[in-house]
Amino acid sequence: AQSVTQLDSQVPVFEEAPVELRCNYSSSVSVYLFWYVQYPNQGLQLLLKYLSGSTLVESINGFEAEFNKSQTSFHLRKPSVHISDTAEYFCAVSDGNNNDMRFGAGTRLTVKP
Amino acid sequence: DGGITQSPKYLFRKEGQNVTLSCEQNLNHDAMYWYRQDPGQGLRLIYYSQIVNDFQKGDIAEGYSVSREKKESFPLTVTSAQKNPTAFYLCASSGRTSSGNTIYFGEGSWLTVV
Repeated sequence: AQSVTQLDSQVPVFEEAPVELRCNYSSSVSVYLFWYVQYPNQGLQLLLKYLSGSTLVESINGFEAEFNKSQTSFHLRKPSVHISDTAEYFCAVSDGNNNDMRFGAGTRLTVKP
Repeated sequence: DGGITQSPKYLFRKEGQNVTLSCEQNLNHDAMYWYRQDPGQGLRLIYYSQIVNDFQKGDIAEGYSVSREKKESFPLTVTSAQKNPTAFYLCASSGRTSSGNTIYFGEGSWLTVV
């Protein structure tokens, strides 16, 4: 079975600064990787996903993540954050069976003015 | 608008009472899921259903029950046997259970036991 570790529970950053939210996974099979964002008192929204092909995936709001198989990582990055990016971010891994999707514990990103 | 509707958003329950959380989706998805979210622990799978009239236990099914009589609906009952039911509950669905299909989430329901 796969598992996910999000290395930082909280990441405070100033507006317009770059940010990286770290995610490592473990799995014995090929994986699919996801980042979800959760705003306060709301459900999770898909931010981006890696299924196959290019290891660099991007979202429409400037986030990107790179699948690194050798380091078993899928870190999320944004070169310049906005106040509105303040939220909790969850990394998830699946072996293709959604019933076995595993979520990390989440990273709370706080963007300060 | 297509989506997943959970109700109620906030629910208070006395100890010893059962309570049912509603989840309806109009995405024509076959698979539906219930997750529990606790601070600092991420999401844990309670139950899932791949097709109508079939459902399976997830990692933390004890003290919960579900039904899947219709494709659109997957209600979750939190029974009095659930020892620590206060949590945020998320319903989700996906188009297929095959590889890489995105799971879509509802807005969640807060359950507080008083």
